[in-house]
Amino acid sequence: KQEVTQIPAALSVPEGENLVLNCSFTDSAIYNLQWFRQDPGKGLTSLLLIQSSQREQTSGRLNASLDKSSGRSTLYIAASQPGDSATYLCAVNPGGTSYGKLTFGQGTILTVHP
Amino acid sequence: KAGVTQTPRYLIKTRGQQVTLSCSPISGHRSVSWYQQTPGQGLQFLFEYFSETQRNKGNFPGRFSGRQFSNSRSEMNVSTLELGDSALYLCASSLAIAGGRDTQYFGPGTRLTVL
Repeated sequence: KQEVTQIPAALSVPEGENLVLNCSFTDSAIYNLQWFRQDPGKGLTSLLLIQSSQREQTSGRLNASLDKSSGRSTLYIAASQPGDSATYLCAVNPGGTSYGKLTFGQGTILTVHP
Repeated sequence: KAGVTQTPRYLIKTRGQQVTLSCSPISGHRSVSWYQQTPGQGLQFLFEYFSETQRNKGNFPGRFSGRQFSNSRSEMNVSTLELGDSALYLCASSLAIAGGRDTQYFGPGTRLTVL
């Protein structure tokens, strides 16, 4: 059974800092891994998707890496801003006959203060 | 292109009642998945539909059911509601294409409160 863990559970940083969020998973047989952000009471917004054959993906100030062999992914946020405050979730899609059955981590609550 | 839409956005029900939630995927998306989100358990997979067929089901009791229509719209039904069913219910849609490039897009959710 796939288990996904995110560290830290919460993070508070001053504006402008670069930061790293961690995600680890127990089963390396994944189809892809996706990072989402969730604002309070809202749905999930997709940030980055990394295919199992890829090592990293970048979008603006965000960079996500994937190391399947060690079961780890990191989300790097450069020059953080107060608008980045949200809960960040990583999710693993196993693919195959379990396609679409995402397993989520518990999330990292990020607060960026001015 | 319109995103994933869910209706209603908020629902208040009492124990023992039943409820139906609706999800309209992004146009062209054939896979629809449903998730339950609670503060204690986080996001948990309910079921996934593709071309009107349920392909996967999570570890939820039979009170939770769903279906998908020919236009890919999906509904989920919860019968005999319990207090513990209070949660944010999210649906996601995707193209279900091969190669691992398939992004899951989520709707805004339906907030269900059971009194």
